[in-house]
Amino acid sequence: GAVVSQHPSWVICKSGTSVKIECRSLDFQATTMFWYRQFPKQSLMLMATSNEGSKATYEQGVEKDKFLINHASLTLSTLTVTSAHPEDSSFYICSARGQQGARRETQYFGPGTRLLVL
Amino acid sequence: AQKVTQAQTEISVVEKEDVTLDCVYETRDTTYYLFWYKQPPSGELVFLIRRNSFDEQNEISGRYSWNFQKSTSSFNFTITASQVVDSAVYFCALSGGAQKLVFGQGTRLTINP
Repeated sequence: GAVVSQHPSWVICKSGTSVKIECRSLDFQATTMFWYRQFPKQSLMLMATSNEGSKATYEQGVEKDKFLINHASLTLSTLTVTSAHPEDSSFYICSARGQQGARRETQYFGPGTRLLVL
Repeated sequence: AQKVTQAQTEISVVEKEDVTLDCVYETRDTTYYLFWYKQPPSGELVFLIRRNSFDEQNEISGRYSWNFQKSTSSFNFTITASQVVDSAVYFCALSGGAQKLVFGQGTRLTINP
């Protein structure tokens, strides 16, 4: 149990285009989902926290107009990188936290999406 | 402020050796959770264990064991009889009242055959 998927796993795009990444909790309902960014050989950096049906909460320094987050249901959150530029190239990982019991206290991570902006 | 320190950036051992990954944390919360995640080369973070601040019992799961000591604010992870498949980056993390995960910098573990 506690499976989280991400799509796509890889994306290469041209500078100026927008890219949407989906994060789904497959076998549980996720009250809260999180979006992280990870640079090579570094730790994870939290970008934003998204709660179903409400606006995402962004961490300091993260541009909300650049990284649009939508959490339309208890199983799906999307991250859209708008007008992507080469400096947005990174590994993006989502996580989901459940509603009850042990899953409420634990974040389960998706497999990540590698974004390369040319 | 919350902080997690993994002082060991990289560890390299020969297969079948035991290895301990250190984790020291700082928090003012009285209720908090500690985690270990494994990140293999594929990139996915695999959940290994969660410990709450009121449960100091050590835990063993196969070749993995965890030692939680509140007195030293440490939550160390030991792999016994290491195997090549254990090679990965391991992250220790802390979650407190705000329920956000604070990660350590990670320890890159390489098990050589």
